Amino acid sequence: AQTVTQSQPEMSVQEAETVTLSCTYDTSESDYYLFWYKQPPSRQMILVIRQEAYKQQNATENRFSVNFQKAAKSFSLKISDSQLGDAAMYFCAYRIHEGANNLFFGTGTRLTVIP
Amino acid sequence: DTAVSQTPKYLVTQMGNDKSIKCEQNLGHDTMYWYKQDSKKFLKIMFSYNNKELIINETVPNRFSPKSPDKAHLNLHINSLELGDSAVYFCASSLLTANTEAFFGQGTRLTVV
Repeated sequence: AQTVTQSQPEMSVQEAETVTLSCTYDTSESDYYLFWYKQPPSRQMILVIRQEAYKQQNATENRFSVNFQKAAKSFSLKISDSQLGDAAMYFCAYRIHEGANNLFFGTGTRLTVIP
Repeated sequence: DTAVSQTPKYLVTQMGNDKSIKCEQNLGHDTMYWYKQDSKKFLKIMFSYNNKELIINETVPNRFSPKSPDKAHLNLHINSLELGDSAVYFCASSLLTANTEAFFGQGTRLTVV
């Protein structure tokens, strides 16, 4: 069974500072994909960044980057220069090439940005 | 241009009633999903449909039934609603390739009273 663990239920960061959200996963698959989704108070699920497991290079999207450690099954999200609009729930998710390819989500981390 | 739209956004109903939530996607995706988000924000897959065929069906009560009239629609019908069904339900769609993300609707907050 695939499991995704986010050990930080809540995090806070000062505006303009950097914060890292952690995520670990458990799988026996070698080919899979990892995602971070953001859910602001509006409830909308928004893709932040994705990472292919076969790629060693860490994905980057503007202020968002990941630290992907395949051997450790770790997939952390770093947010640089935090902005008030970054305040949201962040979900780590995992997807494999099998069956319905549905996303398995972690329990989420609530990020607060302090002005 | 809304990619994945679901209606209604809010639904308040009494125990024992039957209700439906509609979902439509205009992205040309071949797979659609229903997720349930509980009060602790945990997202759990309920169903997925690929080309009008049910691919997976997690251990949800058979009071929940997905209905897909065509590739662009996946509706969720719930019979005999119970208090524990109160949650936010998300529709999503994607291509049936794992390297693409799923696009989500805005969610339907169901409250059973």
